[in-house]
Amino acid sequence: GDSVTQMEGPVTLSEEAFLTINCTYTATGYPSLFWYVQYPGEGLQLLLKATKADDKGSNKGFEATYRKETTSFHLEKGSVQVSDSAVYFCALSPRAGGGNKLTFGTGTQLKVEL
Amino acid sequence: KAGVTQTPRYLIKTRGQQVTLSCSPISGHRSVSWYQQTPGQGLQFLFEYFSETQRNKGNFPGRFSGRQFSNSRSEMNVSTLELGDSALYLCASSPGLAGGLETQYFGPGTRLLVL
Repeated sequence: GDSVTQMEGPVTLSEEAFLTINCTYTATGYPSLFWYVQYPGEGLQLLLKATKADDKGSNKGFEATYRKETTSFHLEKGSVQVSDSAVYFCALSPRAGGGNKLTFGTGTQLKVEL
Repeated sequence: KAGVTQTPRYLIKTRGQQVTLSCSPISGHRSVSWYQQTPGQGLQFLFEYFSETQRNKGNFPGRFSGRQFSNSRSEMNVSTLELGDSALYLCASSPGLAGGLETQYFGPGTRLLVL
């Protein structure tokens, strides 16, 4: 079945440091890929998405590129802020078969310190 | 537009009881999906409803059920509660017409504690 693997956390960075959170996936066909963020005590918010190979999703300084050849969708940000501290989830949704069904990675907690 | 709303936000139940959670999707959205989030198992898909019909189902026992009404509001029911059902239950909505291409918008969740 479908699966998503992302790097274990927590990741602790200093403000203005470069961020990479690795995400790889296993799926039949060509899924859509997502990064969601969860702040303490809240639900999930979409951060960015990509629906086909070589697409780059971007939002709020975060970027991720859909790499079919390496089945990866790594999240990057050039300069993190304290306000970016949250848990980040990589997820996929199959395009075939219709409907919505997100498969999530285990989440990576990011802590940004001054 | 108002976001996805879930009620109640918090619930405490005892083993063996049943519980019903409610989700109101974003106006115009016809797909509602439910997810369970626990520290041990992470985020897991329960089921999706579209136009009052279950369209997708995850790997949960039959104690977990749901339904959707004609106004797209959805309810999830868990019968014969077990301690392991303690979790944050998240509801997500989307227009429902583009399948896996769509963004799902999540509500704040209902936190269920089973004692």
